[in-house]
Amino acid sequence: DVKVTQSSRYLVKRTGEKVFLECVQDMDHENMFWYRQDPGLGLRLIYFSYDVKMKEKGDIPEGYSVSREKKERFSLILESASTNQTSMYLCASTRDTIFGSNQPQHFGDGTRLSIL
Amino acid sequence: KNEVEQSPQNLTAQEGEFITINCSYSVGISALHWLQQHPGGGIVSLFMLSSGKKKHGRLIATINIQEKHSSLHITASHPRDSAVYICAVRRDSNYQLIWGAGTKLIIKP
Repeated sequence: DVKVTQSSRYLVKRTGEKVFLECVQDMDHENMFWYRQDPGLGLRLIYFSYDVKMKEKGDIPEGYSVSREKKERFSLILESASTNQTSMYLCASTRDTIFGSNQPQHFGDGTRLSIL
Repeated sequence: KNEVEQSPQNLTAQEGEFITINCSYSVGISALHWLQQHPGGGIVSLFMLSSGKKKHGRLIATINIQEKHSSLHITASHPRDSAVYICAVRRDSNYQLIWGAGTKLIIKP
């Protein structure tokens, strides 16, 4: 079974802090994604990566950056945390090497981040 | 208008009832996903389909490409089916998924 592991289930940080959310997958998937989930808004894509050192902005990249130095690890960085970044953050991965081919996304358990 | 609309937003039913959750979309797609999210956050992929119908246990997913509509059915519903069910579509032009807002289902014993 594919396992996507997020480093923390719950995290509390202060406004202005630099926050790192880590995600590791163990199935050699090419594509990895970071979403945030807020009530009534569904999942919104922040960034995704289709290869090591490659990244693409999603729908709401402002205030975030990402790092993919190794294939199995995709990090989300809040450069200077703000209260409006309080949310549930979900990481996902998929093997999708051929453009247009479809594979299910495998999700981590999520990190509930609170910015005080 | 959202590109992916789910209905209903909330659904409460009695154990044993037949459940239908709907998803309509307005963009060209290569595939549609149904996912389940239990309290606590974990998301599980239930189905991925691009045509016709798929069945897994008590769950059935159908899609009508011409009408841009999909349904998720649960037969003989059970309290453990209580969860948020999410529809997502893959655009036919890129990797990204467009997500519905989810349907919160509560099955009462």
